[in-house]
Amino acid sequence: DIQMTQSPSSLSASVGDRVTITCRASQSISSYLNWYQQKPGKAPKLLIYAASSLQSGVPSRFSGSGSGTDFTLTISSLQPEDFATYYCQQSYSTSITFGQGTRLEIK
Amino acid sequence: QVQLQESGPGLVKPSQTLSLTCTVSGGSISSGSYYWSWIRQPAGKGLEWIGRIYTSGSTNYNPSLKSRVTISVDTSKNQFSLKLSSVTAADTAVYYCARDSTYNWAYDYWGQGTLVTVSS
Repeated sequence: DIQMTQSPSSLSASVGDRVTITCRASQSISSYLNWYQQKPGKAPKLLIYAASSLQSGVPSRFSGSGSGTDFTLTISSLQPEDFATYYCQQSYSTSITFGQGTRLEIK
Repeated sequence: QVQLQESGPGLVKPSQTLSLTCTVSGGSISSGSYYWSWIRQPAGKGLEWIGRIYTSGSTNYNPSLKSRVTISVDTSKNQFSLKLSSVTAADTAVYYCARDSTYNWAYDYWGQGTLVTVSS
C-alpha cells in the first residue's frame, strides 16, 4: 500500500491567516492526489483533484500544488467556515489510501 | 444532480455479515466511466477505503479487508452493495458510499453515511 502522511495533525489558526497543510506519499504518485474537507457529522467534500485542480464551486482561496511525493493544500485567507478536518487521498494505486487527517481549529 | 444514499442495518452481531446498499439517483449506475466505492470512518478517526466496483463489474479491494469483503452491483435497481463478513467491534464505523470517475480520479459524490455498530 502507498502510505500517505499529513502534517501537521492539528493546527490552530485565526480568521484571515494563510494556512498550509502538507501531504507526503511513500512513493511517487505523479499528480494523483486529492484533497477533501470534512465537517463534524458530514461526508467529506472534494476541494482539489489532480493535485492542483479546483473542484467546481470551491472558493478560490483554496489551492493545491505538488507532484511526485510531496503535496500542499493552501488556504490563502481563512474564513470561519474553513475550520474543519482536511484529508489527502491518493488515486495512483488501485488500492486507494487517505492521509490521517489535519484538524484545523480556531485560535 | 447525482445523489447516493446508504441503507442497511445499524446493528450487527459479532461474527455475522454486515450488508449495506447504496442507491444512486440522478443518473444511471451503468453509464459513464465511474467507480462506485465504499469508505468507512470509525468514530473520531480517519477515512479507510474498503473497495470499489467499476461500471464493468470489475472490483478492487483494500488488501487488509479483501478476505472479508464483497462489493456487487445491481444495475436494474441502480444500486451497489457491500458485504463484510466475520465482523468484530473494530468494524464499527460510519460507512459511506461514494463515486469517482476516470475523469478526475476523485470522490466527487458521497452518501450521507450510515452508522453501523457491531455489538451483541
